[in-house]
Amino acid sequence: GENVEQHPSTLSVQEGDSAVIKCTYSDSASNYFPWYKQELGKGPQLIIDIRSNVGEKKDQRIAVTLNKTAKHFSLHITETQPEDSAVYFCAALLGGNTPLVFGKGTRLSVIA
Amino acid sequence: EPEVTQTPSHQVTQMGQEVILRCVPISNHLYFYWYRQILGQKVEFLVSFYNNEISEKSEIFDDQFSVERPDGSNFTLKIRSTKLEDSAMYFCASSAGGNEKLFFGSGTQLSVL
Repeated sequence: GENVEQHPSTLSVQEGDSAVIKCTYSDSASNYFPWYKQELGKGPQLIIDIRSNVGEKKDQRIAVTLNKTAKHFSLHITETQPEDSAVYFCAALLGGNTPLVFGKGTRLSVIA
Repeated sequence: EPEVTQTPSHQVTQMGQEVILRCVPISNHLYFYWYRQILGQKVEFLVSFYNNEISEKSEIFDDQFSVERPDGSNFTLKIRSTKLEDSAMYFCASSAGGNEKLFFGSGTQLSVL
């Protein structure tokens, strides 16, 4: 089945700097890649997603890039703010009835 | 904004006891899921449910686990005889169409003593 690896496990950045979180997946047939943000005491919230027919997608300060050849995708957060501090999860979907497979998460701390 | 709600937020139980975790998915969603997260580990898929039956289940979802949609709004996960290793955060999720764009609840922290 699909396996998703996520790095780094923790990331600290200064407010205003950029943050990049990377994930790799194992099954080249995976076609949907969402990113979730989990704040303390809450469930994961979908923040951005990308399909395999697109190389990059942007939504204000967040962007996701996908390299199908290398089987990796990344989350980019620019101009980070303290409220960006959270755990971020990447995931991959193979399609059909197969469920989303999550990475292990990255704890992002934005230092004011 | 519509949201998935889960109760209770925390559940403490003795090993061997039955627990029922409850979820109210978003009202117009048709696909329902349970995931769990053991502390410090990945969010793991347990089961998906559509059209009043299980669509997929993982190896974790053995005979001790069951799901039910007893009425038009609730979606429950039952663990018949809890084990220590069942201690985890259990997340319910729902979606309008298939395995994309899942909306998660805030979770139930289950502690088995």
